[in-house]
Amino acid sequence: GAVVSQHPSWVICKSGTSVKIECRSLDFQATTMFWYRQFPKQSLMLMATSNEGSKATYEQGVEKDKFLINHASLTLSTLTVTSAHPEDSSFYICSAPGWGTGELFFGEGSRLTVL
Amino acid sequence: GENVEQHPSTLSVQEGDSAVIKCTYSDSASNYFPWYKQELGKGPQLIIDIRSNVGEKKDQRIAVTLNKTAKHFSLHITETQPEDSAVYFCAARGTGNQFYFGTGTSLTVIP
Repeated sequence: GAVVSQHPSWVICKSGTSVKIECRSLDFQATTMFWYRQFPKQSLMLMATSNEGSKATYEQGVEKDKFLINHASLTLSTLTVTSAHPEDSSFYICSAPGWGTGELFFGEGSRLTVL
Repeated sequence: GENVEQHPSTLSVQEGDSAVIKCTYSDSASNYFPWYKQELGKGPQLIIDIRSNVGEKKDQRIAVTLNKTAKHFSLHITETQPEDSAVYFCAARGTGNQFYFGTGTSLTVIP
């Protein structure tokens, strides 16, 4: 199946700093990518839909200014957690639908810990 | 919008036994139902899927069944092995190509 790569796999940062997470579709183009947040032992919570060349669509309750999403090319979407605080610590996962198939493929996830 | 429910939330089976996880959905327009396996600290991995024009699909020890009338679909794992231990999520793709996920089932295979 298609491969979605996410980087970094884990990151620790100080409170108040910003962290960028990258999501790449390695062998296919993705005009849309999805960003999720997952708390321990819980399901995936959709945060936003990233659209290539246009603004992201955020789910209700997700702060646009805190979670900046950029989808500058057909293979790369980035999520920047700005002015991170300990409550932003979580597992962030991206996904992309396969070209033409509609199947959804996930990245490996990024564990963010804010001290 | 679509609502996907998944049961059970936890499941323990003896190695070699079968495991069944069930999901229901609400939107009759949903047409694609994937299953994902998530190991600790990793992203979900697609293990099998089924489309609305098919009633059953099998891939070695894994099978998925779909009942469109009742709006439910199930994952069947036969001859379970310890490496099958993980969290499994069902999903439904609704109108607008958005995916809706179940709440997950933590499967433990006891050696």
